[in-house]
Amino acid sequence: QKEVEQDPGPLSVPEGAIVSLNCTYSNSAFQYFMWYRQYSRKGPELLMYTYSSGNKEDGRFTAQVDKSSKYISLFIRDSQPSDSATYLCAMSRGYSSASKIIFGSGTRLSIRP
Amino acid sequence: DAGVIQSPRHEVTEMGQEVTLRCKPISGHNSLFWYRQTMMRGLELLIYFNNNVPIDDSGMPEDRFSAKMPNASFSTLKIQPSEPRDSAVYFCASRVTADQPQHFGDGTRLSIL
Repeated sequence: QKEVEQDPGPLSVPEGAIVSLNCTYSNSAFQYFMWYRQYSRKGPELLMYTYSSGNKEDGRFTAQVDKSSKYISLFIRDSQPSDSATYLCAMSRGYSSASKIIFGSGTRLSIRP
Repeated sequence: DAGVIQSPRHEVTEMGQEVTLRCKPISGHNSLFWYRQTMMRGLELLIYFNNNVPIDDSGMPEDRFSAKMPNASFSTLKIQPSEPRDSAVYFCASRVTADQPQHFGDGTRLSIL
C-alpha cells in the first residue's frame, strides 16, 4: 500500500464550478501537508502548505487537513481554464532537512470553457 | 530571477549508453534534490544534498545511478549503463532553507530505447 493515495482522474468540470481534490495517507506522523500544481511539461510549483489539521485559504484556493481521518483536500472556487493542470498532494513528517516529502501520484484536472 | 535550470530538456539514447543529467540550482539555495517521475510510481525522491554533501541517497534505485554536487551551483545525475526502465522525467529542485518550499526545474525527459 502506498503511503499517499490520490485519485489520478482525469477530472473534467465546467468553468466556474467548484473543484474538490483529495488525498488519503497512512502515516500518522505526517505533520506538513502541501499541494503542488504541475502544468504539462513543467515542474511542480507549490500552491499551498498547511501544518497539522485545519483550513487555510488563499484566494480561490482552500486547503483542508483532517488528521483524524488521514484525509486532505484542496478546493478551487470559480475554476478557470488556466487551472487545468495536474495537482499533486505532498506531505512530510517535519520541515527539517532530514524530512522527505512524499508525493501523491497526482490528479489531472481539466476546466472546460 | 532565473529558476532551477536543467539540461538537456530531452534525451533519447540506446540501452547501455551512459546518460548524464545536469542541474543548476537557484543561487543561494543550500539544498538540492533529484526526483524521478513516472506514470506508475509518481514523483520519487532519488537523492538530496545539503551544502553540497549527499544527505540521503536511499531512493537511488541501484548502483547504476550516481549523483554528484562538486559545487553549490552544479549537480549531475548519471546513469551507467542505462536501461529502458530508466525512461522517465527527471526533476531537480532546490530550496534556500529547510522551512522554505522546493523550487523545481522543468525536468529532463529521458527515453532509453
